[in-house]
Amino acid sequence: DVKVTQSSRYLVKRTGEKVFLECVQDMDHENMFWYRQDPGLGLRLIYFSYDVKMKEKGDIPEGYSVSREKKERFSLILESASTNQTSMYLCASSFWTSGGPYNEQFFGPGTRLTVL
Amino acid sequence: DQQVKQNSPSLSVQEGRISILNCDYTNSMFDYFLWYKKYPAEGPTFLISISSIKDKNEDGRFTVFLNKSAKHLSLHIVPSQPGDSAVYFCAASTVDNNDMRFGAGTRLTVKP
Repeated sequence: DVKVTQSSRYLVKRTGEKVFLECVQDMDHENMFWYRQDPGLGLRLIYFSYDVKMKEKGDIPEGYSVSREKKERFSLILESASTNQTSMYLCASSFWTSGGPYNEQFFGPGTRLTVL
Repeated sequence: DQQVKQNSPSLSVQEGRISILNCDYTNSMFDYFLWYKKYPAEGPTFLISISSIKDKNEDGRFTVFLNKSAKHLSLHIVPSQPGDSAVYFCAASTVDNNDMRFGAGTRLTVKP
């Protein structure tokens, strides 16, 4: 069974704090993704990574950065948390594919972040 | 600008009846479509997918239909069961990219 784990289920931080959200997958997937889920907006892609030390901006990268030092781990960083970053954050992973059958993404359980 | 749209935020059906969830997309480059199911306090899980070379894919009670000319797909669940109650997300991708775009989700409630 593919397993994607996220470091915290619930997190409460104060405005201006630096926040780290950690994600680990155990299936040797090349691709890793960070989304946020908000009511009425669905899942929006923040950043993704195809390989170690590589990163690509998604649709809403502002206010976030990422780090991928090891293949199995992908971190999302909020440099200075703001109240509009209160959300559910979901990490996902998948195999890399080039022109062939697409591989589904496997999701972690999510981290509910509240910024006060 | 949402490239994948699910215009119905919620749907309620009776157990045993058909559930039809709809999804529209704007990017004509999308060629692979997926449906994910999400229960509260859990991450989304893959349900069923369809490639743009097909117009139908079936897996047990779940069938996905794709109408490329209308840029529309739908998920049919027959018969619906109370355990199907969840939020369903439509997602789309292109063969050249490994990332995907999601719709806003539809909350399905199946009443006993």
